[in-house]
Amino acid sequence: ETGVTQSPTHLIKTRGQQVTLRCSSQSGHNTVSWYQQALGQGPQFIFQYYREEENGRGNFPPRFSGLQFPNYSSELNVNALELDDSALYLCASRPGASGRAGETQYFGPGTRLLVL
Amino acid sequence: KNQVEQSPQSLIILEGKNCTLQCNYTVSPFSNLRWYKQDTGRGPVSLTIMTFSENTKSNGRYTATLDADTKQSSLHITASQLSDSASYICVVSGEGGGGYNKLIFGAGTRLAVHP
Repeated sequence: ETGVTQSPTHLIKTRGQQVTLRCSSQSGHNTVSWYQQALGQGPQFIFQYYREEENGRGNFPPRFSGLQFPNYSSELNVNALELDDSALYLCASRPGASGRAGETQYFGPGTRLLVL
Repeated sequence: KNQVEQSPQSLIILEGKNCTLQCNYTVSPFSNLRWYKQDTGRGPVSLTIMTFSENTKSNGRYTATLDADTKQSSLHITASQLSDSASYICVVSGEGGGGYNKLIFGAGTRLAVHP
């Protein structure tokens, strides 16, 4: 176990709805990243939060947004859900913002989202 | 374009046999390369991490190599076990603007170890 937890484990939504996924980072880790992993694909970087501020974003539309709280836990919000949003959403934490050599990301088990 | 390509897409081997997974990348600038193991329905778990100056790193029965000149890496699994059945993902780290680290993930190699 990595110490990173995510909730819920599974979720079913319909197109157009909104969803909030949650992540608790490993103790002492102030950087949280979110990834989307479609079936059979590698994870795609959504965005990263460092000390409550977004400091990096991948190629995802604005309807993907997030928050990081003072205890470094984080939320991923997706508005106006589309069928293609169905995926495993992974959260990962690490102790620093740069991710330089020697810093390993610790992944949570993921939340599997199905959009019907 | 920053890309990480892995081969083969899938692999079936018999328990006890060795295998080698490949990773080619075009990420620039390059910071480090990591191999992760991902069991079905679980988050990835780090196996090895190598910087530009390292060309081999071992973790038990897993040995990763890196050739920064040709931008290739391999993951060698020795004496495979049934529990090695998983997806193995190569991840290359570049430096993003604003100081954040940008990770480029490969699509993974799905390994199945049969008794």
